[in-house]
Amino acid sequence: KQEVTQIPAALSVPEGENLVLNCSFTDSAIYNLQWFRQDPGKGLTSLLLIQSSQREQTSGRLNASLDKSSGRSTLYIAASQPGDSATYLCALLFLQAGTALIFGKGTTLSVSS
Amino acid sequence: DGGITQSPKYLFRKEGQNVTLSCEQNLNHDAMYWYRQDPGQGLRLIYYSQIVNDFQKGDIAEGYSVSREKKESFPLTVTSAQKNPTAFYLCASSMDREGDTQYFGPGTRLTVL
Repeated sequence: KQEVTQIPAALSVPEGENLVLNCSFTDSAIYNLQWFRQDPGKGLTSLLLIQSSQREQTSGRLNASLDKSSGRSTLYIAASQPGDSATYLCALLFLQAGTALIFGKGTTLSVSS
Repeated sequence: DGGITQSPKYLFRKEGQNVTLSCEQNLNHDAMYWYRQDPGQGLRLIYYSQIVNDFQKGDIAEGYSVSREKKESFPLTVTSAQKNPTAFYLCASSMDREGDTQYFGPGTRLTVL
């Protein structure tokens, strides 16, 4: 069974710090990996999508990497801001899971000013 | 203004009642999904549909039912057979092509009184 793990479950940093969120997965046979942001009581916002053939994607202060051989992805946030405070979810579309995403439990980030 | 809408935002149900959650999209997406989110559990797939008049069970389909009579609509009914329905319900859609991202609605919070 495919599993997605996110560590740490929670993270607190001061404003301006660079940080890394981690995602690991048990099956390297994937279509893609997505990072989402979720604010309390809200839906999910897609941040970055990395296709299986890609190594990384960048959007503004965010950079996501994918290493299928080691079953890992990282989300790098540069110069963190209080507005970055949210839960970040990693999700994978595995080849053997149909079209539905398998989610990690998320990392809740708090950035203090 | 394209997107996914869910209604209602909050829903209260008495024991033994069936309730229906609405999900509508105007993105012309083929595939639609229902996820359930519980604190500390991440998102889990309830049902998904890749085309009109066809749908598949996800990991936790017991106590739920769906229909897909129109491409843009995918309502979810939470039946009295669902033992613990209190949760946050999220609807998503995608083009159902390999590698396409999923777009999420704002969610419905269901509480059993």
